[in-house]
This record gives sequence, C-alpha cells and structure tokens, in this order.
Amino acid sequence: DGGITQSPKYLFRKEGQNVTLSCEQNLNHDAMYWYRQDPGQGLRLIYYSQIVNDFQKGDIAEGYSVSREKKESFPLTVTSAQKNPTAFYLCASSPYTSGGTKNIQYFGAGTRLSVL
Amino acid sequence: AQSVAQPEDQVNVAEGNPLTVKCTYSVSGNPYLFWYVQYPNRGLQFLLKYITGDNLVKGSYGFEAEFNKSQTSFHLKKPSALVSDSALYFCAVRDNSNYQLIWGAGTKLIIKP
Repeated sequence: DGGITQSPKYLFRKEGQNVTLSCEQNLNHDAMYWYRQDPGQGLRLIYYSQIVNDFQKGDIAEGYSVSREKKESFPLTVTSAQKNPTAFYLCASSPYTSGGTKNIQYFGAGTRLSVL
Repeated sequence: AQSVAQPEDQVNVAEGNPLTVKCTYSVSGNPYLFWYVQYPNRGLQFLLKYITGDNLVKGSYGFEAEFNKSQTSFHLKKPSALVSDSALYFCAVRDNSNYQLIWGAGTKLIIKP
C-alpha cells in the first residue's frame, strides 16, 4: 500500500447524500484508477485517468464522478444517483497506461462505504 | 470478448504441500498477464507478470506462474505453501484495446497448518 493513501478507511452515506473518497499518491505516476470490489465479483473499473485534467469512464461509471486537477490526487464522488453504493473502493496508480512492460498497478488500502 | 476466468472460488492446501491457483484467459493479441494478492481489508499487491519470454515466471514470496499459450492459462504455483499465504488471489489480463486490466473474480486460498 505504500505510496497511495486512501481516506477515510470507513465511510457511511445517508440516503440522498453525495460522499467523496480521497486518493493521493506520491509515486509520481501518470495514471490513476478507481475500482469497486464486491464479494465474488472481482474488481470493476469505475473511472481512470491517464493525465491531469483528463479521465475516462470505466465499466460502471454511472452514479460516480471524478476529477484530476493534480497529478497526485484523484478523488471519487459517489452521488445520490448510485443506488447501491455499499462496496469496498480501491484506488490504484501506474506509471504507464499505453503498453510497455511497466504497466503494473499499485493499490491503496481501500475505503469501505456503507449506507445508513 | 476478452475475459479472465478463475474456476475455483476457494482452494484448500495443507501447509508444506504445493499449491496451484488456476487462471484462464481470452484476449485479442498478445497476452499481458498479472497475478495480485489481497489480504483482508487491504489493497491488492502485485505478485508477478508475464509479458514475453520464458513461460515460467518467478515473482514475490516464492510464487511462480506458468504461461501456457495453447491452453490459454496462467496458473499460479508455489512448491511449499505457508499458512501466511492464505489470502485472496486475483488474475488479470490487459485489454489490448484500451490497455486496462480485466480482472478475474478471485480465488480464496486457505492454507491449513
């Protein structure tokens, strides 16, 4: 988990509320990712960003939003439109996204989001 | 469609015995394959990767994986299991159309003393 900090570790959301999950990296990586992990389903990509001020939707972007104003930071907002937000959220970063042999992703410790 | 399959939800092995965690894949173009491990309530840690070269890849913590092109498999192996190897293991393959990783559902490995 070194180099990528996710906060908070646990988060509770009330109905109709937007919540923001923080992800900061000090690895000087270009690319950052948000995944959702549900039991028995592996990791599903929500959003990813290859460069500052640019990001792309993943497989399950609906109900989520992101920003990438700084290289080190990639916060994820879970909006009220996401009707089933309870999950474990993982942030990752990597030095490259467009091929090469060094496209290894490094993960934070995760944020567990629950609905009150 | 590009995909990764981990056919076993759980693998049970006695400590000291060899272990194998299975992974098969389907991808267009050359496969870039990865194994990661996840301990409870933690993020994933990289174990090893196959890009090209030798079919037997060595990684962290004594793990290795064997790439088999004809069987489209990338099974994770260790000659002698430790109780501390108990964790959730994920196989992933790179989607060559967008360079993102496609993840298997994970295999829970339980090593019994």
